[in-house]
Amino acid sequence: SQQGEEDPQALSIQEGENATMNCSYKTSINNLQWYRQNSGRGLVHLILIRSNEREKHSGRLRVTLDTSKKSSSLLITASRAADTASYFCATVSMDSSYKLIFGSGTRLLVRP
Amino acid sequence: GAGVSQSPSNKVTEKGKDVELRCDPISGHTALYWYRQSLGQGLEFLIYFQGNSAPDKSGLPSDRFSAERTGGSVSTLTIQRTQQEDSAVYLCASSAGLASFSYNEQFFGPGTRLTVL
Repeated sequence: SQQGEEDPQALSIQEGENATMNCSYKTSINNLQWYRQNSGRGLVHLILIRSNEREKHSGRLRVTLDTSKKSSSLLITASRAADTASYFCATVSMDSSYKLIFGSGTRLLVRP
Repeated sequence: GAGVSQSPSNKVTEKGKDVELRCDPISGHTALYWYRQSLGQGLEFLIYFQGNSAPDKSGLPSDRFSAERTGGSVSTLTIQRTQQEDSAVYLCASSAGLASFSYNEQFFGPGTRLTVL
């Protein structure tokens, strides 16, 4: 069963705009990770944020975590057509440190 | 190898046949994971190996599914008597060190797309 939901399910923006995706989860977590998937195949790890962190940056990516609301957001700034992909959040729970529980994903389309 | 590899990349089979999916993890990674992604759905955890042992098989959908890992390296996921609902992309991942560590970056392979006719 999936941990939670992501919204929006799909997002279409113009190149250069920012893209924000949200993720909600249900249980206490050790960390939350964001992954990118191109063409429905392999996943690429983007960024990890621990439960005691509130914000993290990596290049054009900014991730926030609100454990009180059990939610996270991924912001991609100055988007490029090459950012077109599906983005998934995944949580690692406190009692199962090896298992990634994925959200439903957001399909991002960046129009050139 | 540089990353996780999986074979075959695509597999088409007839209902009722058995299939074997292979995963080669990153060299030296002790933990290995199998996930399944069905059409239009998210990824679901199937099984996890630490070395050659599988402490958690809870995600395997039925007893038609089994997996093994030999030599702490290659893993095979076997689906017996395949059904149409088994059609999905099967993804393998590996991670370094002990999975009990809090940091758990998993590196994913390209997946095997299984189609059961």
